Amino acid sequence: NAGVTQTPKFRILKIGQSMTLQCAQDMNHNYMYWYRQDPGMGLKLIYYSVGAGITDKGEVPNGYNVSRSTTEDFPLRLELAAPSQTSVYFCASIQDGLGNEQFFGPGTRLTVL
Amino acid sequence: QQQVKQSPQSLIVQKGGISIINCAYENTAFDYFPWYQQFPGKGPALLIAIRPDVSEKKEGRFTISFNKSAKQFSLHIMDSQPGDSATYFCAAIPGGGSEKLVFGKGTKLTVNP
Repeated sequence: NAGVTQTPKFRILKIGQSMTLQCAQDMNHNYMYWYRQDPGMGLKLIYYSVGAGITDKGEVPNGYNVSRSTTEDFPLRLELAAPSQTSVYFCASIQDGLGNEQFFGPGTRLTVL
Repeated sequence: QQQVKQSPQSLIVQKGGISIINCAYENTAFDYFPWYQQFPGKGPALLIAIRPDVSEKKEGRFTISFNKSAKQFSLHIMDSQPGDSATYFCAAIPGGGSEKLVFGKGTKLTVNP
């Protein structure tokens, strides 16, 4: 199993550009999450999904959109990039059920200039 | 509003010493408390976790102590090693089935040889 994979690893965007951060998992997990990590601030939940076709907002959803058309994929879309979206983005997945481990991808480092 | 407060922000210990990281929470709906370890350039990985009906859980050199009445929990790393140098995050998951992680801000641990 590859686990949780994310692409790209790094990206530099100009203000106003758009991009999609890709996330895929091959563990047949129902639940998937997008977090952003800013220095000294921990990780904050952007969006999450409890299954294909179901998504919901987390703590910091503004400026982002998601979709979940398959169990495996959970892309995160930035429509109009802003400097405030400079961060490291992590995707994670978990098999449903409290107490199961949430697996994280390696992250995407995004800089908006 | 920070739902999980973590301290200290950084910690330096000598090899063989004990590292202690503390967390506190307010939301009594939290019912699972994992700790994550993150090395530079990597995603967080589950280290150890505890449920609120247990006061202590030990796995090797890592121990979680949980005080439900005080709404506090802590991570103790015994015989700390340079390889333990990483950032540690406490987290909490509320009941309800979404398994959303609420993270503390993290503690950067440095273990000197």
